[in-house]
Amino acid sequence: GAGVSQSPSNKVTEKGKDVELRCDPISGHTALYWYRQSLGQGLEFLIYFQGNSAPDKSGLPSDRFSAERTGGSVSTLTIQRTQQEDSAVYLCASSLVGHLTNTEAFFGQGTRLTVV
Amino acid sequence: AQTVTQSQPEMSVQEAETVTLSCTYDTSESDYYLFWYKQPPSRQMILVIRQEAYKQQNATENRFSVNFQKAAKSFSLKISDSQLGDAAMYFCAYRSAMYGGSQGNLIFGKGTKLSVKP
Repeated sequence: GAGVSQSPSNKVTEKGKDVELRCDPISGHTALYWYRQSLGQGLEFLIYFQGNSAPDKSGLPSDRFSAERTGGSVSTLTIQRTQQEDSAVYLCASSLVGHLTNTEAFFGQGTRLTVV
Repeated sequence: AQTVTQSQPEMSVQEAETVTLSCTYDTSESDYYLFWYKQPPSRQMILVIRQEAYKQQNATENRFSVNFQKAAKSFSLKISDSQLGDAAMYFCAYRSAMYGGSQGNLIFGKGTKLSVKP
């Protein structure tokens, strides 16, 4: 696609339910990032995938959060047993990263998650 | 670990005037990239400008320019002839030139909210 696509745009879920957020990166981009942004706040790093390397999961806030990237393309961020503090905008970005190749990250529009 | 600091939570500028947003970072690496991103209320993050650390010349993009001071680890953004459409959150970001594993991660500052007064 032309850009990074995230779905759904908005998600309202009940406390305790599981949710899945999807990210379609730009074709050919080797790096994929997930960030969380609470209202009026900065970007909180969650997880980073780069090619076939083991992902950097150091930003995941708890074991309720997990993410996978299938075939080096689409990524899914899963939040289990959602809590109200999980309410935020979840942003995905992708970039082309490699030896002597380094471009800026392109962002999707984000998924606004509301836990009620 | 690298860190990025934006010390100005909010800034205000008069339309047509010039404003400078500050950013400092901490790293032990010599080769890296620095970025300024803009996030308007639509929440779409847009790249404003980027700088390669190995380049001494400051990057410019139309009304946007940076003052890159590698020794001081400073990377400020100057917006000239400010326009109403420049009102947004601005984020400074760092990325290592290495890649693989945790390297290559994009690290952001907390952002500066810029208001433009007509």
